[in-house]
Amino acid sequence: SQQGEEDPQALSIQEGENATMNCSYKTSINNLQWYRQNSGRGLVHLILIRSNEREKHSGRLRVTLDTSKKSSSLLITASRAADTASYFCATDASNDMRFGAGTRLTVKP
Amino acid sequence: NAGVTQTPKFQVLKTGQSMTLQCAQDMNHEYMSWYRQDPGMGLRLIHYSVGAGITDQGEVPNGYNVSRSTTEDFPLRLLSAAPSQTSVYFCASSSLAGDVGEQFFGPGTRLTVL
Repeated sequence: SQQGEEDPQALSIQEGENATMNCSYKTSINNLQWYRQNSGRGLVHLILIRSNEREKHSGRLRVTLDTSKKSSSLLITASRAADTASYFCATDASNDMRFGAGTRLTVKP
Repeated sequence: NAGVTQTPKFQVLKTGQSMTLQCAQDMNHEYMSWYRQDPGMGLRLIHYSVGAGITDQGEVPNGYNVSRSTTEDFPLRLLSAAPSQTSVYFCASSSLAGDVGEQFFGPGTRLTVL
């Protein structure tokens, strides 16, 4: 079974708004990563947060990790139409990478 | 640098046929992996390797074999194709320094098994 589960499954917002996606997982991890996938293409890495970190920023992205709750969130601020994509969390548990089913984000211009 | 390359991009097989999906990377990454992605779902790990000569099973290894004779190449073999193996297959690579780092993905192979 897949390790991570994203919530919500789909999210539709207006350009300029913030988008928040959540990920829950089941086992102890070394790190948690977020990826973006545009329709039909390969995944692109966004950000990695290690198990001893609580928050990380990269440009308009903010990721938090709560290992006690086995959950993470990805915040995209000031969204753009180009952010429209599917977003996946992935966990590294001793080199065994597990992906969630993803959140489909639509940003309307 | 070409990054991660996969061939072929598309493939149609008949049930029972075998084939090899090729994957190569030129970043000297230790970690390489194969995933399948079914419609509307995330990626599921098939097999992975932490270095030449070392492979391990992921979440859905049945019906697939891998080998890692060099750092650069990580082919995936379908032994006897079944319709349930119709999917998009992605290869990825990353550095490995205690944990799996940022993964670089290939463009994918769309496989249809009739």
